Amino acid sequence: GQNIDQPTEMTATEGAIVQINCTYQTSGFNGLFWYQQHAGEAPTFLSYNVLDGLEEKGRFSSFLSRSKGYSYLLLKELQMKDSASYLCAVYPGNNRKLIWGLGTSLAVNP
Amino acid sequence: DSGVTQTPKHLITATGQRVTLRCSPRSGDLSVYWYQQSLDQGLQFLIQYYNGEERAKGNILERFSAQQFPDLHSELNLSSLELGDSALYFCASSAQRYSYNEQFFGPGTRLTVL
Repeated sequence: GQNIDQPTEMTATEGAIVQINCTYQTSGFNGLFWYQQHAGEAPTFLSYNVLDGLEEKGRFSSFLSRSKGYSYLLLKELQMKDSASYLCAVYPGNNRKLIWGLGTSLAVNP
Repeated sequence: DSGVTQTPKHLITATGQRVTLRCSPRSGDLSVYWYQQSLDQGLQFLIQYYNGEERAKGNILERFSAQQFPDLHSELNLSSLELGDSALYFCASSAQRYSYNEQFFGPGTRLTVL
């Protein structure tokens, strides 16, 4: 079957670092996306990993290990505006549709 | 602003009714995706169109249908509405037909069925 697991909720403090994990079990893998979604708003693209390793983009970094079926999103210097849901999605390849996780709701406290 | 537009922004209707949600993709994007998001569920993929043709189907009910027109805008039709259909409906677009392309989401239509 196809399965993506993310923690449901996380809390962190302003200025801190938080790591949001995503594990996947899919029949095929050809890339992993992270999207950010503020409450009541549309998801917006954060990152796309297809090769193993860490990709850094400002305060956000995304890591992928294909052998472990594992990714994480690292958010540094947390700001209140980072309070949002973070969605992990996997493209299994072969022209099939994206598989979406249920998202991790991150609350950043002052 | 993603460049994807959706209308209407809000829709309130009664059970048993039929509604049409409209989406215009970003200029140049050929793929349109429809998603449903309820409070207690994640983003549920409904259906994808590419250049006017159905490309992929997800958890779309038989009461729901969609199409993409020659000008690439898309409509999602929801009929025989039930209370459980109340949700945010997002449209997204991407340049190519494949799911490894970044998707750009519209602001969504919030549907309330009373």
